[in-house]
Formats: sequence, C-alpha cells, structure tokens
Amino acid sequence: KAGVTQTPRYLIKTRGQQVTLSCSPISGHRSVSWYQQTPGQGLQFLFEYFSETQRNKGNFPGRFSGRQFSNSRSEMNVSTLELGDSALYLCASSSRLAGGNEQYFGPGTRLTVT
Amino acid sequence: AQSVTQLGSHVSVSEGALVLLRCNYSSSVPPYLFWYVQYPNQGLQLLLKYTTGATLVKGINGFEAEFKKSETSFHLTKPSAHMSDAAEYFCAVSKETSGSRLTFGEGTQLTVNP
Repeated sequence: KAGVTQTPRYLIKTRGQQVTLSCSPISGHRSVSWYQQTPGQGLQFLFEYFSETQRNKGNFPGRFSGRQFSNSRSEMNVSTLELGDSALYLCASSSRLAGGNEQYFGPGTRLTVT
Repeated sequence: AQSVTQLGSHVSVSEGALVLLRCNYSSSVPPYLFWYVQYPNQGLQLLLKYTTGATLVKGINGFEAEFKKSETSFHLTKPSAHMSDAAEYFCAVSKETSGSRLTFGEGTQLTVNP
C-alpha cells in the first residue's frame, strides 16, 4: 500500500499571500489530520477531517482552514501568510475516528514565508 | 487538558549502550500513549503504542515502553543503541473523545556516539 503523500514538498511564499497544501491518505483511510511543526512550538494539531467533515480543531486562527473531498484527499489553506507560518506541515491518516488509533504520517510540506 | 512532558531535549549515548527516553503525561482520563520517531527531513513513524492490556509494549526496531499509571509515565527504552537510532523521538497522547488528535511532547533528540 502506498503511504501518505503530501504535495508540494517545499514551498516558498511571501507575506500576505495564501497557500494550499495537499494530502492524499493511505487507500481506505477516511480520517486525515493536519499538524504544524516549528522549532519553537513543536508539533501542534491543526484539525481533523473524517468523511468530509471537520471533527476536531486545534487552537489556530481562522486563516488556517481545510477541507476533505469524497475520495478522502484533504487540502489545507493558509490565507494572509505571516512569517510565523513558516513550518513543516504534516498530514496524517488513519482508518477510524477514534482515540488510540494508529496514525500514519506523510513526509510533510516545508513552507517558508519571506 | 492533557499534556505530555519529555525530560531531556537532548540525550547522548554510546553505541551499544542502553537508551532511555523519558515521558510523563497528565490526563484526567486514561489516555492512549504513543512514541514516534522522526528522521531528518521526514515525517513521523510510529514506534509503538499503548491502548489497553499489557503495560509493557514492544515496538519496532527493538524499542519498548512501559505504561506506569501510578507514575503517569511511559518511558521508551532500547537495550543496545545503534547508530541508526539517532533521530528525534516524540511521545504523544490521545483520548477516546478527541478522535485521532494527538498531543505531543517537546521531543528528545537522540545522539548515538561510535
């Protein structure tokens, strides 16, 4: 089975722009979660989607949004980029919406905001 | 709110020596506990998890962890370190009511010296 894929792997944007990141989960997985990883804040949960519905949301401003399609692929959008949005964005998929469930992570998208 | 504390942001061991990475959690309900490893420029890989049952959990690559409820700990060990174990290790917790959402510790960078 192919793993979680994320595109693009690297991205450079300018402050004020917006960006869309894509995540394709493992085949058959219906839950997709997004995390932000920075040296200062570590790994922080952004949101989780299951069956095209947002089920959980972390403590991030409204500039961060996401969606999930019927094939379980997910996109994350960040509008009005700030320098502090520079981070590694990780996507994870799992088969169920439940605590204790194994999550499988993609390689991440490295976003640099200049 | 649940939280995870990893004692020691950097741990250095000699090849062949015992690896011990510490993790303590705080949770008002019995949590699910995980250890993930991250190699440079890669996503997270699940080493092992504890949900219920046996408190000593064996994972991949010779790692194991013991859930100690009385100490609220979930320390990761490996009897003999290998050079390839050099990476960053994250302890994480989730609970049944939070879907797949993971709360991560700050991470421990493991260095293995020849």
